[in-house]
Amino acid sequence: NAGVTQTPKFQVLKTGQSMTLQCAQDMNHEYMSWYRQDPGMGLRLIHYSVGAGITDQGEVPNGYNVSRSTTEDFPLRLLSAAPSQTSVYFCASSRGRRGENIQYFGAGTRLSVL
Amino acid sequence: QQQVKQSPQSLIVQKGGIPIINCAYENTAFDYFPWYQQFPGKGPALLIAIRPDVSEKKEGRFTISFNKSAKQFSLHIMDSQPGDSATYFCAASAYSGAGSYQLTFGKGTKLSVIP
Repeated sequence: NAGVTQTPKFQVLKTGQSMTLQCAQDMNHEYMSWYRQDPGMGLRLIHYSVGAGITDQGEVPNGYNVSRSTTEDFPLRLLSAAPSQTSVYFCASSRGRRGENIQYFGAGTRLSVL
Repeated sequence: QQQVKQSPQSLIVQKGGIPIINCAYENTAFDYFPWYQQFPGKGPALLIAIRPDVSEKKEGRFTISFNKSAKQFSLHIMDSQPGDSATYFCAASAYSGAGSYQLTFGKGTKLSVIP
């Protein structure tokens, strides 16, 4: 089992460029989510999905789009990158069950927007 | 209502000491309280978790103490080692609709264990 795989590991963008951060999981988890991590801010939820074809916004969704066409994949799209989106991005998946909500995280994508 | 407040923001202890990280919450609908450990350059990983019907849980050198009436829970690391140096996040899970449960994270505590 690979768990949660994120690509790329590092990325540098210029302001205004677009890109897609890839996330794939092989645990057949229904629930997937994207977080960004900034110093002193903890993990902030960007978007999440409770299953294929179903997505919803988290705490900080502006500037990001998601889609979920399969159970395994949950890509995050930056439409027009801004310096404020410089961050470390984590994808996570879980069964999302009551009383046992264990989220498994990928290794992260470190993004710099110049 | 959905916040989880974590303290301290950073913590430095000597090897063998017992660092304690505290978290508090308001939402009584939270039904699962995990702690995550994150090493530099890595993603967070589940360390230990507790349900609200239990007051304490131990796994090796790590212990969660849970006080349901005070809506507080804490992580204790016994006989801390330099290899425990990491960022620790507390979290709480609640039903968020559409059949899913979401985690709300504290802001993290950076622990440094000095040899």
